[in-house]
Amino acid sequence: EPEVTQTPSHQVTQMGQEVILRCVPISNHLYFYWYRQILGQKVEFLVSFYNNEISEKSEIFDDQFSVERPDGSNFTLKIRSTKLEDSAMYFCASSEVGTSGPSNEQFFGPGTRLTVL
Amino acid sequence: QKEVEQNSGPLSVPEGAIASLNCTYSDRVSQSFFWYRQYSGKSPELIMSIYSNGDKEDGRFTAQLNKASQYVSLLIRDSQPSDSATYLCAVNKLSGGSNYKLTFGKGTLLTVNP
Repeated sequence: EPEVTQTPSHQVTQMGQEVILRCVPISNHLYFYWYRQILGQKVEFLVSFYNNEISEKSEIFDDQFSVERPDGSNFTLKIRSTKLEDSAMYFCASSEVGTSGPSNEQFFGPGTRLTVL
Repeated sequence: QKEVEQNSGPLSVPEGAIASLNCTYSDRVSQSFFWYRQYSGKSPELIMSIYSNGDKEDGRFTAQLNKASQYVSLLIRDSQPSDSATYLCAVNKLSGGSNYKLTFGKGTLLTVNP
């Protein structure tokens, strides 16, 4: 069964460093998303991406964050200067094209645990 | 008012019983509703989606939606210890032209006792 994959599974970094989290969405999906979940808290939307541009972003997704689809399979989230409060699980998700816009069902990858020291 | 509300639990049921999980949402424009299961330290796994009022059954799972009451529920029949997890209610908001993001509740922790 096709699935979303993410690398690395765990990333440890120093405050102020840049990190890149990688995702390979399900192959026939064209809508991509990043969510994060701080330990003990709810899953929060960060950004959605379609046709090589951001469709929507949340207040969390400030200038320190960026997303890119560098090739035909990868989807990345970059955090330019990490803060302690960026420590969280970051989930990539994807959905296929629906009748008008994205299909409603989003499928999540296993996540990257980011620890900022 | 919180956008998506769930009882945090824990909800404890004996093996073989019916587990009932509830969720309310604040935005009347919401169109699509989802239940995800999340094991500790793992990612959300989609188990049910429901779009219209009424019941939707899939195996041991039944989702129920009442848009007038802004209420969605998940019933798990013949609960198994492997069903022990946090169940997340998620809503796809269409207000403001947004049909991309899912808004999640905090989740209900379900424990099924053997």
